[in-house]
Amino acid sequence: NAGVTQTPKFQVLKTGQSMTLQCAQDMNHEYMSWYRQDPGMGLRLIHYSVGAGITDQGEVPNGYNVSRSTTEDFPLRLLSAAPSQTSVYFCASSDRGLGNQPQHFGDGTRLSIL
Amino acid sequence: KQEVTQIPAALSVPEGENLVLNCSFTDSAIYNLQWFRQDPGKGLTSLLLIQSSQREQTSGRLNASLDKSSGRSTLYIAASQPGDSATYLCAVRDNYGQNFVFGPGTRLSVLP
Repeated sequence: NAGVTQTPKFQVLKTGQSMTLQCAQDMNHEYMSWYRQDPGMGLRLIHYSVGAGITDQGEVPNGYNVSRSTTEDFPLRLLSAAPSQTSVYFCASSDRGLGNQPQHFGDGTRLSIL
Repeated sequence: KQEVTQIPAALSVPEGENLVLNCSFTDSAIYNLQWFRQDPGKGLTSLLLIQSSQREQTSGRLNASLDKSSGRSTLYIAASQPGDSATYLCAVRDNYGQNFVFGPGTRLSVLP
């Protein structure tokens, strides 16, 4: 049981480049989300999805796009990378339908923007 | 807007001690609260989830309590071990949506 899988694990980009962070889960969870983790600030929600075809913004959505074409996948796109987007990105999923279900996290993508 | 704080930011204890980590939140209208463990360079591992109607949850040496009216949760770790060294985060899920708000974490070091 793979759980939540994120790729790549590490990435270095130049300012202005674009890229897609991949997230896949094999638990048939309806709810998926993306967070960024910065030192001293905890995890902040970027975007989330309550099911295929439905996405919404979190606390810090600017500079990021998401789509949810399937239940399993929830990619995060950086449109034009900026140094302020240097961070660790985590994808999470949970079973929305059952209410009090824990969130499951991937191992993260460590992204550096030069 | 929900805000979550954790005190202390860092804690160092000798092996064998019992310890308490604190989590506070500003809006008591929560759906549940979850405690996580994060090891360096790793993702988050769920430890305990407390529903809003519950007062506490236990798993092995861990016990989490919830006092919604005062906006507080504690994570009690009994007989600490060096393997407990990690960062512990709490997160609350509000009644209005599906999202979690995280605290900044407490970095725990258990010295052998």
